Formats: sequence, structure tokens, C-alpha cells
Amino acid sequence: NAGVTQTPKFQVLKTGQSMTLQCAQDMNHNSMYWYRQDPGMGLRLIYYSASEGTTDKGEVPNGYNVSRLNKREFSLRLESAAPSQTSVYFCASRAVTGGDGSQETQYFGPGTRLLVL
Amino acid sequence: QKEVEQDPGPLSVPEGAIVSLNCTYSNSAFQYFMWYRQYSRKGPELLMYTYSSGNKEDGRFTAQVDKSSKYISLFIRDSQPSDSATYLCAMSVFSTLTFGKGTMLLVSP
Repeated sequence: NAGVTQTPKFQVLKTGQSMTLQCAQDMNHNSMYWYRQDPGMGLRLIYYSASEGTTDKGEVPNGYNVSRLNKREFSLRLESAAPSQTSVYFCASRAVTGGDGSQETQYFGPGTRLLVL
Repeated sequence: QKEVEQDPGPLSVPEGAIVSLNCTYSNSAFQYFMWYRQYSRKGPELLMYTYSSGNKEDGRFTAQVDKSSKYISLFIRDSQPSDSATYLCAMSVFSTLTFGKGTMLLVSP
């Protein structure tokens, strides 16, 4: 199992350019998430998808769009990149275990480092 | 006031020390409490998970939750240089997590 994979690992964009960050998981999880991590700000939720065909906004959705292409893949798109979107982006998927569904774990990908000039 | 407060550190300790990491929170709806460990340039990984007040132990790690005080802690006994990482507390209600900013821990040999 590869777990959660993300592409690309690193990207440099100019202001106004667009790009799509790709994420895939092979653990058959229903829920997937996109976070950004900035120094001094911690991990902040951008968008999430509780199941295939649904998406919801998180704490910082402005400037981003997402697509849950199928159960495995969840992409994040920047339509017009801004320097404020320079960050490390993490994708995660969620497993719920325990007989009563009482334990959950989010599995994170290795991250995409994005620099917007 | 942010929902989850965590001192960013860095916290520097010698090898073998007992480490205490803490978070406070304001949302009483949080039901599940986690600690994630993140090594430099890697994604976070789950370290400890609790869903009630009290203590949970796993090897050298103990997670403590006090819902009445809205306070959670992670204790690391006999700390090792390999424990050097950023530790993030996280809390959930329904299907989303709210993270603290993370505390950087440095364990020197």
C-alpha cells in the first residue's frame, strides 16, 4: 500500500498562474481532506470531502476549488495563484475504526511545497 | 481566541528527560483528542488517540485529557533524540479536525 500520495512534491508559480494539486489514497477511505501548513499558523483545513460526490468548505477555502474525482482521488485547484498561497499543502484521508466507530485516524501524504512569486 | 492553543516552543531537553506538551481548547463540543508527530519535511502521523477524560499509555508516551479544564497533555518518558519533531494536538467533532499550531521538541544527546 502506498497510503496517501501527492503530486507534485514542489512547485513554483507566478502570480496569476493556475495549477492543480493531485492526491490519491489506496486505503478505501470515504473521507479526504486538504490542509495548508504555514509557519506560526499550524494546519488549517481548506476543503474536505466526507464521501465520493460531496465536498465542503473548511476554515480557509477562499482562492481554492476541489474535485472529488472518485473514491481514491481528491484534487485541489488554484485558479489564480497569489503570494499568500505560498505554503505546504497536505492531503489526508480518514479511517474510522473500533466497534462503535469511536477511533479515527487521518493519514497524511508527504505534502506539496508551493511557492508563488 | 483560537479554538486550540498550543505553545510553539521550541522546547529543548537533554536525552532521558521527561517531556510535557500541552494544549488548551475552548470548544466544549470536542469529543476526540489526538496527538500527531511531524518530522521535518514530512506529513503528520498519529501518535496517540483518546476520546474520554483520563490517561492513556503507550510505551513511553502518555496522553492525558481533562475535559473539565479543557486541557490535554502528552508526556514522553526517557526522551530520545529520535523524538525530536513537532508535536501537534488535534481535536475533533464530527468528521473534521482542529489542530494546534504544534510544539517543536529538540532532544539533545
